[in-house]
Amino acid sequence: QQQVKQSPQSLIVQKGGISIINCAYENTAFDYFPWYQQFPGKGPALLIAIRPDVSEKKEGRFTISFNKSAKQFSLHIMDSQPGDSATYFCAASYHSGTYKYIFGTGTRLKVLA
Amino acid sequence: GAGVSQTPSNKVTEKGKYVELRCDPISGHTALYWYRQSLGQGPEFLIYFQGTGAADDSGLPNDRFFAVRPEGSVSTLKIQRTERGDSAVYLCASSLPSGVGELFFGEGSRLTVL
Repeated sequence: QQQVKQSPQSLIVQKGGISIINCAYENTAFDYFPWYQQFPGKGPALLIAIRPDVSEKKEGRFTISFNKSAKQFSLHIMDSQPGDSATYFCAASYHSGTYKYIFGTGTRLKVLA
Repeated sequence: GAGVSQTPSNKVTEKGKYVELRCDPISGHTALYWYRQSLGQGPEFLIYFQGTGAADDSGLPNDRFFAVRPEGSVSTLKIQRTERGDSAVYLCASSLPSGVGELFFGEGSRLTVL
């Protein structure tokens, strides 16, 4: 019930294509859903986040789609670039006001030039 | 410094030894978090501080792990009697009062227990 399941484990996309990463959760008490980007040897960095009262949030080329009834959310990267090649983690938090996250297992994205 | 600073960046130790990992948060950040990231996995919550006190230490795996933040700034994660299963990257992160703004992660301390 505490897990956040992430798929796919790895993803290869052509430059200019759309990258889609999916996450699913069980605990309906989760109230904050961020996505983090991590480059090798670096710490995770916040990319974009959403709360369950919103079905979609867009920031530049990055969009989160949120389906509360299905308990699923996804990250879409439009016009994917080689510089987007990194590992992406979804996460969820149910302690409002804290960053005590449950992270997914990560998706390794490679964008081919 | 501009970001969260963690030392050492790499630590190799032998099974049974004691290790300390240090985190220097962003200046002015009152909330500090420790996460552990095993190879190929997402970060796993260990403990967080709001000021000097541990607000939630429910993620510490057992009593060999302990963390302190005596002056509300720098924090030290202490691991006693290390085991091979403790090998991981230990990430520190900080923010303004917890839940405000963004959580910023350091680059981590890679611990290898032989």
